[in-house]
Amino acid sequence: GENVEQHPSTLSVQEGDSAVIKCTYSDSASNYFPWYKQELGKRPQLIIDIRSNVGEKKDQRIAVTLNKTAKHFSLHITETQPEDSAVYFCAANEGRTDSWGKLQFGAGTQVVVTP
Amino acid sequence: DGGITQSPKYLFRKEGQNVTLSCEQNLNHDAMYWYRQDPGQGLRLIYYSQIVNDFQKGDIAEGYSVSREKKESFPLTVTSAQKNPTAFYLCASSPGTGEFYGYTFGSGTRLTVV
Repeated sequence: GENVEQHPSTLSVQEGDSAVIKCTYSDSASNYFPWYKQELGKRPQLIIDIRSNVGEKKDQRIAVTLNKTAKHFSLHITETQPEDSAVYFCAANEGRTDSWGKLQFGAGTQVVVTP
Repeated sequence: DGGITQSPKYLFRKEGQNVTLSCEQNLNHDAMYWYRQDPGQGLRLIYYSQIVNDFQKGDIAEGYSVSREKKESFPLTVTSAQKNPTAFYLCASSPGTGEFYGYTFGSGTRLTVV
């Protein structure tokens, strides 16, 4: 099955700086890679996703890059703000047809943005 | 609650008891999932169901059971065989067919053993 590793586990940045979170995956058949943001005590919310036929995707201050050859993908947050403080999870789907929709999650990155 | 409702929000279980967590969705999604979240370990899949009357074990199914008698409902029972049930439990759903767009999550149930 799929195995997803995420680094770093914690990340402290000054407001206005950039934050980068990196993930690797093992299943070469994976083709969908979402990123979720979870605030304390709340449900994870999808913030951006990328498919394997795309190398980069951007949405305002958030961007995701994917390197299929190396099996890694990254989340980039620019001009960080205090409201970006949260836990961020990367995930990858299992590529087999009989496990459609199964996501394997990374362990999460606690991002703290200090004013 | 974004179309998927979990209840209760907090649940306390005594040693040796079975408890059932509710998950209901009105999104007309075929697929539903249960994940367990522990600090520092991300989300781990317990069970998933891609269609009514069918479900599959995830990575940590021991000590848990589910049913899927209705499309809208996917309750999770934490049995007394689950030795360390204290965790945050998240239910999720997705359309189940076509291009995958990730999950809609419920707001979670925090289970504590007392």
